[in-house]
Formats: sequence, structure tokens, C-alpha cells
Amino acid sequence: EAGVVQSPRYKIIEKKQPVAFWCNPISGHNTLYWYRQNLGQGPELLIRYENEEAVDDSQLPKDRFSAERLKGVDSTLKIQPAELGDSAVYLCASSLGSAVSTNGYTFGSGTRLTVV
Amino acid sequence: AQSVTQLGSHVSVSEGALVLLRCNYSSSVPPYLFWYVQYPNQGLQLLLKYTTGATLVKGINGFEAEFKKSETSFHLTKPSAHMSDAAEYFCAVSSNNNDMRFGAGTRLTVKP
Repeated sequence: EAGVVQSPRYKIIEKKQPVAFWCNPISGHNTLYWYRQNLGQGPELLIRYENEEAVDDSQLPKDRFSAERLKGVDSTLKIQPAELGDSAVYLCASSLGSAVSTNGYTFGSGTRLTVV
Repeated sequence: AQSVTQLGSHVSVSEGALVLLRCNYSSSVPPYLFWYVQYPNQGLQLLLKYTTGATLVKGINGFEAEFKKSETSFHLTKPSAHMSDAAEYFCAVSSNNNDMRFGAGTRLTVKP
């Protein structure tokens, strides 16, 4: 079984340019998370989906970040325009059901974004 | 509110020595606690978790952790370090059972 697949693995863009990250969760996992991990820090939650509904986007900077999960499967996270401070690793995770105590998360390998 | 503090951003041990990575949490309700490991350029992998029941939990790769409510701690240990244990370790807490909050991480170095 394939794990959580993210692409691209690396992305370098100039500031003010747009960028998008893609995540394909494990088949059947209805809960999907996007986290941002700054250098030397732990992951920080950006948004959580249950199926196609964003049930917690309180930490998503909505002025420049957007996300979607059409049909409740794949998800895309977009930044427009990117700023230097957006340089980080963007991690996608998925779980079967929303109860982390039961299911835990499975993480993808992440997309490392560098804004220059 | 829920938060995690990992004491020591870097820990260095000799191969075969005890590994002790410290984690303290803050939670307004009984928490669920987790330890994850991250190898370079990879995602996070679950080592172990505490939900309910026995306070000493065993995980993969010989790691274990003990939930101590009175100390609000969930320290990770391994009796004998192996070179392959060198990685970044993250403690995480969940109070709402919907998502997790992670600590800043501890980088473990294992010396030959």
C-alpha cells in the first residue's frame, strides 16, 4: 500500500510568485492535515479536513494561503504570493477517522519550499 | 489549550548508552500523548502513543515512554542506543482528539 504521497519534493521560487503543493492521502483515509515545519521546529497545523470539509482552518493565513480537497481525496495547498518567511517544509498527513488516539497520523515526506 | 515542551534541542549519547529524551505537556483535559521520529528528508513516523490504561507504553525500535500525570511528563527512553537511532524526535499532545500539537523536537546524535 502506498503511503501519503506529496509532490513536489522540493520547490524553489522567487518571492511574490505563487506555488502549490499536492497531497494524495492513503486510500480510505477521510481525515487530512496540512502542517508547516519551519527549520529546527516541530510541525504546526495549518488546516484539517474531514472528507471535503475544512473543519479547522483557524491557523491558516488566509490572506495568502488557500487549500482545497475536492471530492474528499487529494488536496492542494496554495500560497499566493509567497514571502521569504514561507520557506519551510510543508507536510501532509492523513488518518482513518478523526480520532487521533485511535488512528494516529501517517505523514508524507513533505515538500521543502525555498523562497528567494 | 495544549502545548508541549521538549527539554534539550540536542542530545548526544554513546552507542550502547541509555537514551532519555524529555517531554512535558500542558493540557486542560487528560491528554493523548505521542512520540514521533523523523529521519533526514523524511516525514514523521509514529514511535508510540499513550491513550488510556497502562502508563508505560512500548513502541517500535525498543523505545518506551512513561506517562506521569503528577509530573505532566512523557519522557522517551531506550536502554541501549544504536547508531541507527540518530534522528529528530518529536513529542506531541492532543487534548481534543482531533489534531496534535508538536514540540520543537530533540535531535539525537549517537557517537560510536
